[in-house]
Amino acid sequence: NAGVTQTPKFQVLKTGQSMTLQCAQDMNHEYMSWYRQDPGMGLRLIHYSVGAGITDQGEVPNGYNVSRSTTEDFPLRLLSAAPSQTSVYFCASSSLQDQPQHFGDGTRLSIL
Amino acid sequence: AQSVTQLDSHVSVSEGTPVLLRCNYSSSYSPSLFWYVQHPNKGLQLLLKYTSAATLVKGINGFEAEFKKSETSFHLTKPSAHMSDAAEYFCVFQPRGGATNKLIFGTGTLLAVQP
Repeated sequence: NAGVTQTPKFQVLKTGQSMTLQCAQDMNHEYMSWYRQDPGMGLRLIHYSVGAGITDQGEVPNGYNVSRSTTEDFPLRLLSAAPSQTSVYFCASSSLQDQPQHFGDGTRLSIL
Repeated sequence: AQSVTQLDSHVSVSEGTPVLLRCNYSSSYSPSLFWYVQHPNKGLQLLLKYTSAATLVKGINGFEAEFKKSETSFHLTKPSAHMSDAAEYFCVFQPRGGATNKLIFGTGTLLAVQP
């Protein structure tokens, strides 16, 4: 069972570069979310989606874009990377509003 | 404002002794509450959840938590720590109702287990 799959696992970027973090889930979950994890701050919500074609901003959306063209995929785009975006990024999904979320193993992103 | 507070950033116990990780929440309504565990270089794994059924919730790996509305607490316990329990633990608050699926994470408690 794949669950939530994130790629890549590690990435180093230069300031100003763009990239897309991929997230795919095979559980037919409607809800998908992106979080960033920074030391001493827990996880903070970047963007989320309640279904294909529907996305919304979370707590820290600036500098990130998302789209949800299919139920399975929810990519996160950094248009112009900044050192402040160095973090560990987690994608999560769940079937219903009150159900626990399933997390991927994370993407560790460093921006120089 | 809704929030969740983990009272200890680090907890150290000896193998075989009890574990207590403390979590308090602030909310006008009864929330859903979760405990997640994160092992190094891994994603978060659900330990247990409270969603207004029984106040004592049993989870995986021998962990349990008790929802106490009067104390606004949801502390995580385990009778006997194992070396494999060393990890970071997150208490997570989910508001009830609404059209979105948003979680509020505590800042985490790093559990060390000494041999």
